[in-house]
Amino acid sequence: GAGVSQTPSNKVTEKGKYVELRCDPISGHTALYWYRQSLGQGPEFLIYFQGTGAADDSGLPNDRFFAVRPEGSVSTLKIQRTERGDSAVYLCASSSLELDTQYFGPGTRLTVL
Amino acid sequence: SQKIEQNSEALNIQEGKTATLTCNYTNYSPAYLQWYRQDPGRGPVFLLLIRENEKEKRKERLKVTFDTTLKQSLFHITASQPADSATYLCAFSSNTGKLIFGQGTTLQVKP
Repeated sequence: GAGVSQTPSNKVTEKGKYVELRCDPISGHTALYWYRQSLGQGPEFLIYFQGTGAADDSGLPNDRFFAVRPEGSVSTLKIQRTERGDSAVYLCASSSLELDTQYFGPGTRLTVL
Repeated sequence: SQKIEQNSEALNIQEGKTATLTCNYTNYSPAYLQWYRQDPGRGPVFLLLIRENEKEKRKERLKVTFDTTLKQSLFHITASQPADSATYLCAFSSNTGKLIFGQGTTLQVKP
């Protein structure tokens, strides 16, 4: 079956612009996670959805970052007024239950010029 | 603050040998410990999970140990192959599913 997909695979934007990153989880998975990975580092937790609601958004670095999952499936991570420090690979993962194995997508590489 | 450390230096070994990777943690009492493999340009792939009340877990050529006294996990790959070359990440999770990752160790297996 299809795995987790993320679009776009690469995004180049200018400082100050708004970007949206999309995640399509595995069908039927109720839990969805967003992580951010900088070069040479492990993924860093951003936010976790159980169904449509954000169960834990403690990893969002500031109020420029926001994520939604309106129908409990696809999720969008939104970044306003991008900064160069936002450049990283943004990973999405899903799992069938809250404590189950997380399946990761290939990530979206965001570059802010 | 909670801290998870993996050896940031790359590990280079000869094909057929056993690779051992280390993961140490401080100021944390994880319920689960997981190991993932990550290839360049790809997302992490789950390998093994071990619970806090388990000492050891095996899967084919992989073995994970979890010592809550030493606050350390060891990850072993026996009879290593060049195809095992990748970055290996350890991650801890509490009861909410949120994963806290180490920085990863790159393994290079030479033929």
